[in-house]
Amino acid sequence: GQNIDQPTEMTATEGAIVQINCTYQTSGFNGLFWYQQHAGEAPTFLSYNVLDGLEEKGRFSSFLSRSKGYSYLLLKELQMKDSASYLCAVRGYGQNFVFGPGTRLSVLP
Amino acid sequence: AAGVIQSPRHLIKEKRETATLKCYPIPRHDTVYWYQQGPGQDPQFLISFYEKMQSDKGSIPDRFSAQQFSDYHSELNMSSLELGDSALYFCASSPRNRGLNEQFFGPGTRLTVL
Repeated sequence: GQNIDQPTEMTATEGAIVQINCTYQTSGFNGLFWYQQHAGEAPTFLSYNVLDGLEEKGRFSSFLSRSKGYSYLLLKELQMKDSASYLCAVRGYGQNFVFGPGTRLSVLP
Repeated sequence: AAGVIQSPRHLIKEKRETATLKCYPIPRHDTVYWYQQGPGQDPQFLISFYEKMQSDKGSIPDRFSAQQFSDYHSELNMSSLELGDSALYFCASSPRNRGLNEQFFGPGTRLTVL
């Protein structure tokens, strides 16, 4: 079966750093993706990991440990516009993605 | 840059009616995915197509069908609509021959069933 877990909500302060965790158990693994989604809008791609380690992209970094079924998204220098839901998605066998429940991040001034 | 286009953006139907949602992928993207996202829920994968053939099937009800045409656009046909079908329907496209295969999402069609 497929199971992806993320914290439901997180709160952080503008300018701070926040880490959003994702654990997964899926049949097959062909990559882990992080998406940002503002309410009522389409998800937008943030990062992709297929090998263990850290991928850095500006203020966003994503880490993967395949043996532990674990990933995190690190957001630095938080801005108010970063308030959104962050979805962890795993691509298993084939081409379909399985999305996690999403973490709603609120950035406070 | 061109993005995924979905039409209509909003649709209101009554129970037992039918609806057709359209998706136009980014040029040169040959794979299309359909997702359903209910209020406060994560996107649920419905179905995907590669080169006009169904490639993967998720939690798509039997009342729904979809296809991809020769110009790579895709249509999701929904019949005998139920109240629970009210949701945002996203289409995403990707170029399958790229190793990354990130999906680019369209703006979504908001379907309301009354």
